[in-house]
Amino acid sequence: DSGVTQTPKHLITATGQRVTLRCSPRSGDLSVYWYQQSLDQGLQFLIQYYNGEERAKGNILERFSAQQFPDLHSELNLSSLELGDSALYFCASSVGARGWSGNTIYFGEGSWLTVV
Amino acid sequence: GENVEQHPSTLSVQEGDSAVIKCTYSDSASNYFPWYKQELGKRPQLIIDIRSNVGEKKDQRIAVTLNKTAKHFSLHITETQPEDSAVYFCAAWGSNYKLTFGKGTLLTVNP
Repeated sequence: DSGVTQTPKHLITATGQRVTLRCSPRSGDLSVYWYQQSLDQGLQFLIQYYNGEERAKGNILERFSAQQFPDLHSELNLSSLELGDSALYFCASSVGARGWSGNTIYFGEGSWLTVV
Repeated sequence: GENVEQHPSTLSVQEGDSAVIKCTYSDSASNYFPWYKQELGKRPQLIIDIRSNVGEKKDQRIAVTLNKTAKHFSLHITETQPEDSAVYFCAAWGSNYKLTFGKGTLLTVNP
């Protein structure tokens, strides 16, 4: 158990709908990251928050948005869903915001999203 | 932005053999290179990492080497075992706060 909690674990929804994925980071971690993993793709970086502020942005679609709340949990909102949005969405957390050996990124179990 | 290339995409070895996975990165300011192992249906887990001021790091059967000049780093697994079968991802932390992953290598260790 990494200590990163994601809900829901599985979600099936229809095209055009909106869903919210929730993430609670490990205790003490200030950074939260969201990654998307499709069947034939690696881990695509979406966005990173550090202590409530957006720190880095990747290939996140305009239909997607995220935020980190004062209690450090984060939500990823996916709207106007398309079939191609079906994927495994990982949340991860770490203590800091930069790359160094002590700043290990721990992944949650992921949220499986299926759009039908 | 950072671009990480990983090869090979699939690798099949016999139990007891060595496995090598290679990655290149584009951002010369990248300073931290972790490797993750992902078993089927599971989350990625860190197995080893290396900083840019270190050329090699070893942890039991796993070692990582880094060549900053050539901007490439490699994962070496010796005496492979069936439980090493998984997808392995290299990653590079660039100057833009992003941890960019390679596309992964599916390693199969045949008994």
